[in-house]
Amino acid sequence: DQQVKQNSPSLSVQEGRISILNCDYTNSMFDYFLWYKKYPAEGPTFLISISSIKDKNEDGRFTVFLNKSAKHLSLHIVPSQPGDSAVYFCAATGETSGSRLTFGEGTQLTVNP
Amino acid sequence: DGGITQSPKYLFRKEGQNVTLSCEQNLNHDAMYWYRQDPGQGLRLIYYSQIVNDFQKGDIAEGYSVSREKKESFPLTVTSAQKNPTAFYLCATSRSAREADEQYFGPGTRLTVT
Repeated sequence: DQQVKQNSPSLSVQEGRISILNCDYTNSMFDYFLWYKKYPAEGPTFLISISSIKDKNEDGRFTVFLNKSAKHLSLHIVPSQPGDSAVYFCAATGETSGSRLTFGEGTQLTVNP
Repeated sequence: DGGITQSPKYLFRKEGQNVTLSCEQNLNHDAMYWYRQDPGQGLRLIYYSQIVNDFQKGDIAEGYSVSREKKESFPLTVTSAQKNPTAFYLCATSRSAREADEQYFGPGTRLTVT
């Protein structure tokens, strides 16, 4: 039972354009969402998070949007840079999960110069 | 230099042998976690610990064991009962064991069992 799904295994964009990574969840108890970035053979690093009381959170080039009714969130990267090429994981948690995170499968983003 | 240390970076073992992966943190975080990553799959939770001397099974605990004798350390043993042990193993920590919070990850250990 995959409670967090990233349906696109890969995404390729041109440098300078927008990258949009999508994530869907099924558990209505989830109320806090995070995005992580991962380079090969390294641990993931935290990018940005959003609480269910908001529908948008912005940090520099990164913006996360949350649509609670659709149980959908997305990460926008503008402008995309070659150094953004990595695997992006979305994760979710809720009151009943404590500090446990449930991760999606990840999306490999490639930004072409 | 604060952070999470996982050693070694690469580990090779013969089938049938138990192997222990190390995870040490000096962030003074309460909670610690073990995940494995396989190609095309997300991070799957093996075990987690919210406090010293206590730990809970995650989603794929079979074939693994852990201990939490000190706040700083959360070693993972991959036993011979684990059917597919070859994977990338990640240790993580979070400040709080009770509330939603970001998790911080170590650099990972690549285990290869032949």
